[in-house]
Amino acid sequence: EPEVTQTPSHQVTQMGQEVILRCVPISNHLYFYWYRQILGQKVEFLVSFYNNEISEKSEIFDDQFSVERPDGSNFTLKIRSTKLEDSAMYFCASRKPGQGIYEQYFGPGTRLTVT
Amino acid sequence: GIQVEQSPPDLILQEGANSTLRCNFSDSVNNLQWFHQNPWGQLINLFYIPSGTKQNGRLSATTVATERYSLLYISSSQTTDSGVYFCAVGDKAAGNKLTFGGGTRVLVKP
Repeated sequence: EPEVTQTPSHQVTQMGQEVILRCVPISNHLYFYWYRQILGQKVEFLVSFYNNEISEKSEIFDDQFSVERPDGSNFTLKIRSTKLEDSAMYFCASRKPGQGIYEQYFGPGTRLTVT
Repeated sequence: GIQVEQSPPDLILQEGANSTLRCNFSDSVNNLQWFHQNPWGQLINLFYIPSGTKQNGRLSATTVATERYSLLYISSSQTTDSGVYFCAVGDKAAGNKLTFGGGTRVLVKP
């Protein structure tokens, strides 16, 4: 069964550094999402992406964040200058096109630790 | 935005016991998913259930969309059922993004 994959599984970075989190969505999916979960808290929506543009973003998704689909398979989340409070688990999700089909498939997550 | 409340926040069970987890939401939804977060932090998709009833082994779920709640049933619980269970809902008005509840932390004791 096709799966969403994410790399790396764990990333440690110093405050102020740029990080890129990578996701490979399921191949016939056209809607892509990033969520994050700070340790011990609930999962929060960051951004959704469709047709090569952002369709919605949350208040968390400020100018330090950007997303890109650089080719036909990858979907990336970039944090330009990391802060301590960016430490979290980041999940990528995707869903297929079509009316009435809204199930999102989640990747295993990337644990980001900012020191 | 849509509000999602899960209850109870914590649940301690003896192995073999049955339990019911509840998810209430504040508005109409076109997506409802139940997840189990394992000790490694991965979100395991249990059910996609915007309405109706589904069963998968010892787990089953029911969503009554008109009354804005969903229930997750765990029968004959095992220690491997321990973890956090999240309900997440999506609606077209909010761009189909998922809004997660606060989770129910389940501990199954041997």
